[in-house]
Amino acid sequence: QVQLVQSGSELKKPGASVKVSCKASGYTFTSYAMNWVRQAPGQGLEWMGWINTNTGNPTYAQGFTGRFVFSLDTSVSTAYLQISSLKAEDTAVYYCARGGYCSGGSCFKGGRDYWGQGTLVTVSS
Amino acid sequence: NFMLTQPHSVSESPGKTVTISCTGSSGSIASNYVQWYQQRPGSAPTTVIYEDNQRPSGVPDRFSGSIDSSSNSASLTISGLKTEDEADYYCQSYDSSSHWVFGGGTKLTVL
Repeated sequence: QVQLVQSGSELKKPGASVKVSCKASGYTFTSYAMNWVRQAPGQGLEWMGWINTNTGNPTYAQGFTGRFVFSLDTSVSTAYLQISSLKAEDTAVYYCARGGYCSGGSCFKGGRDYWGQGTLVTVSS
Repeated sequence: NFMLTQPHSVSESPGKTVTISCTGSSGSIASNYVQWYQQRPGSAPTTVIYEDNQRPSGVPDRFSGSIDSSSNSASLTISGLKTEDEADYYCQSYDSSSHWVFGGGTKLTVL
């Protein structure tokens, strides 16, 4: 069965960096896009962007450029989200979510999404 | 910017039917798939409807999705409400750049 298992909670000081991992199993990792979603405390879901697991090409949503980096290690079927220069307002749960089917360098909409269990990142001095 | 609007909250009694709407701000909501996610407190979202009206295996057939082009909206209908259905529900679709767009979420109370 499809599973996305994320790394554990993190407590960081302002200005530090954090790297969240999302290990996929139960399907061919490079056949589906990977999305990242943020949920601040008590708030709704916010799409951060996605990475093409065929090409490694990331796309960032508005508001998630500069300090946010998506990357892959296809040898271990794992996607990463790195956030640098952490601020208190980065405190949130971060989710990876499998997206649409990818083939020939293009990824498509649709299909059932699967979500990781979430990683709580707390930024506090 | 394309937006999806959901009611902030809905409530209904056990055994009844409730419908949650998701209205697109522009364009035709029917031109892109709509997904619905259920999120219980302290848990990750899970898919209850994908591609407008498809139900993943394991999701009860009490859950159904539909599109109404005349109102440019999608709907999630839950029949035979159970207390375990109490959760936040989010709709999701795509903008013109194929970026994910979420609705603001609807808190369903089953009382």
